[in-house]
Amino acid sequence: KQEVTQIPAALSVPEGENLVLNCSFTDSAIYNLQWFRQDPGKGLTSLLLIQSSQREQTSGRLNASLDKSSGRSTLYIAASQPGDSATYLCAAPPYNQGGKLIFGQGTELSVKP
Amino acid sequence: ETGVTQTPRHLVMGMTNKKSLKCEQHLGHNAMYWYKQSAKKPLELMFVYNFKEQTENNSVPSRFSPECPNSSHLFLHLHTLQPEDSALYLCASSSPPGGLDTQYFGPGTRLTVL
Repeated sequence: KQEVTQIPAALSVPEGENLVLNCSFTDSAIYNLQWFRQDPGKGLTSLLLIQSSQREQTSGRLNASLDKSSGRSTLYIAASQPGDSATYLCAAPPYNQGGKLIFGQGTELSVKP
Repeated sequence: ETGVTQTPRHLVMGMTNKKSLKCEQHLGHNAMYWYKQSAKKPLELMFVYNFKEQTENNSVPSRFSPECPNSSHLFLHLHTLQPEDSALYLCASSSPPGGLDTQYFGPGTRLTVL
């Protein structure tokens, strides 16, 4: 059974810092690994999707890596801004379980001006 | 409208009420999903529909009854709910089912059961 864990649960950093959010998963048989952002009381916004054959994906100041052998993914945020404050969720869809995304509990990020 | 919309955005109901949540996607997708997000818990998948057919029921109590009349609309009918059912209910859609593509989420319905 796939389990997804995110560390830390919460993180507070000053503006401008580079930071790393961690995600680990127990079953490496995944289609891909996805990172989402959720603002308070809102839905989820897809940030990056890394296919199982890829090692990383980049979008602007965000870079996500995937290491299936160790069951880990990281989300790197460069030059953080107060607007980056949100909860970041990673999710993995297991093989042969169509459409079923297994989510971590999220990391709540606060970037202080 | 674009993307995935959900109505109502907020709902307060008693345990004996019957209400429905509505989701509509304007993305031409054929798979739709209901998720439950409770405080301090990971998102939980409830139901998956593919081309209007239910393909996943994640052991959801029968007081939650989904309906998918077409690929663009998804409903969640609620009756005799419990206070522990209070949560944010999120709808999502995707193009190919099976997790190969990202899912697009609506803003959610914040449900409070008194």
